[in-house]
Amino acid sequence: GAGVSQSPRYKVAKRGQDVALRCDPISGHVSLFWYQQALGQGPEFLTYFQNEAQLDKSGLPSDRFFAERPEGSVSTLKIQRTQQEDSAVYLCASSLNVGGTTDTQYFGPGTRLTVL
Amino acid sequence: KNQVEQSPQSLIILEGKNCTLQCNYTVSPFSNLRWYKQDTGRGPVSLTIMTFSENTKSNGRYTATLDADTKQSSLHITASQLSDSASYICVVRDNNDMRFGAGTRLTVKP
Repeated sequence: GAGVSQSPRYKVAKRGQDVALRCDPISGHVSLFWYQQALGQGPEFLTYFQNEAQLDKSGLPSDRFFAERPEGSVSTLKIQRTQQEDSAVYLCASSLNVGGTTDTQYFGPGTRLTVL
Repeated sequence: KNQVEQSPQSLIILEGKNCTLQCNYTVSPFSNLRWYKQDTGRGPVSLTIMTFSENTKSNGRYTATLDADTKQSSLHITASQLSDSASYICVVRDNNDMRFGAGTRLTVKP
C-alpha cells in the first residue's frame, strides 16, 4: 500500500506491561512524527524524526516512552511499564520533506492502546 | 488553555443540509492553517491548507475561510452526505510546531 501503516491496530496491555508500536511510513518520506490522541481530543505531539535522527522528543510524557527509527524508515514507539493514563490512540505521520511549514503530513490509522 | 479552540464540540445534521464549523486560535507567529477530516478509526486526512494571504479555499463541497486579523477560520460543508460523518480538526502551525484543536464531531443522519 502507498499510505502510512501502523501495527498492531489494537493493543490491550495489563498495567506494568511493556508495549511496542510500529509505524511504516510512506517510502521515501524523510520526516516521521508520533502523536498521542486521547478520546475526543486532537492529537498531541510526542516526537519527530528526520531520517534516523530524533530531532525533537519534547512531547514524550515521561522516560517510560522511547521511540526509535534506526534505519530512517520504520519507527517503533515503546512504552515501558504501561499505566492506565497511557490509554489512547497513537498516531504516526510522515511527510516527504524536512519539516517545511506547508509540507503535508500523511497519517496512519493509529494504534488504539488500552491499559487495564 | 489550548491555543486552538473549535466549536461546536459536536453537531448533528440531516443529509443534504449545510453546516459551518468554527476554529479560533491564538497561535503566533502564524504560518498556516489546515482542516483535517478524521473518520472513526482512521488517521486525519488534510482537506485544505491556507496561508496568511488566503481568505478562502475550496475542496469540493468543503470551503474553508480564514480571517487572520481576528484569528478565526471556518469550514463550511455544502449538501452534506452520510460519508461526511467524521471529526474535523483545525490545525494551526507556527514556525515550528503544529497546534491541534480538539475537533468537532459531525454526524450526518439520513
